[in-house]
Amino acid sequence: SYALIQPPSVSVSPGQTATISCSGDKLGHNYVSWYQQRPGQSPLLLLHQDKQRLAGIPARFSGSNAGNTATLTITETQSVDEAEYYCQVWDSATAVVFGGGTKLTVL
Amino acid sequence: QVRLVESGGGVVQPGTSLTLSCAAAGFNLESYAMSWVRQAPGKGLEWVAVLSHDAANKYQAGSLKGRFTISRDNSKNSVYLQMNGLTPEDTAVYFCAKGIGRGVLGAFDLWGQGTMVTVSS
Repeated sequence: SYALIQPPSVSVSPGQTATISCSGDKLGHNYVSWYQQRPGQSPLLLLHQDKQRLAGIPARFSGSNAGNTATLTITETQSVDEAEYYCQVWDSATAVVFGGGTKLTVL
Repeated sequence: QVRLVESGGGVVQPGTSLTLSCAAAGFNLESYAMSWVRQAPGKGLEWVAVLSHDAANKYQAGSLKGRFTISRDNSKNSVYLQMNGLTPEDTAVYFCAKGIGRGVLGAFDLWGQGTMVTVSS
């Protein structure tokens, strides 16, 4: 079955840029979505179709996808961005696949 | 206010069945694909099943071995998850999620607050 691999954790200083990767076989051939989940809350869709921001999502959040890796980039990171981030893709064999999640810590 | 409200969770014994419901408020659910996603305590998101807007296309996670069934009643603006043969490994918060479009291929742009299912003897 298809698998998406994310780093378990990423740390960033306030005001700096955070990058979270999501790897999968030929991932660039599929559209990737990104979700944010703060502790105790439901997931929130940030980006779909690799880089399309949902209404109300700050422009600080951006995405890219090429080759085997998709990347979520958060510029001018704030303490409010501290959360778990998940990538997600549709695979023809496995249907919906989520990555394992990346815990973003803003130090 | 646009929202999804799950219900039906609780504590059940292994081997039993349970049906979860998800009611949409503030929008017409019939135009969108719907999905169930679960999250075991302290773990990541695990997709369970997805159903197209007209129920013509249905997919579920292979790991469930056919024990779970997703369905919808557009006249009641609701989606359901029938779960059979529950095991302690099914213990999780179950989220209902709205597809961004009619088909099953897209992202999920609205999530409910989740309902907790605990399987324990």
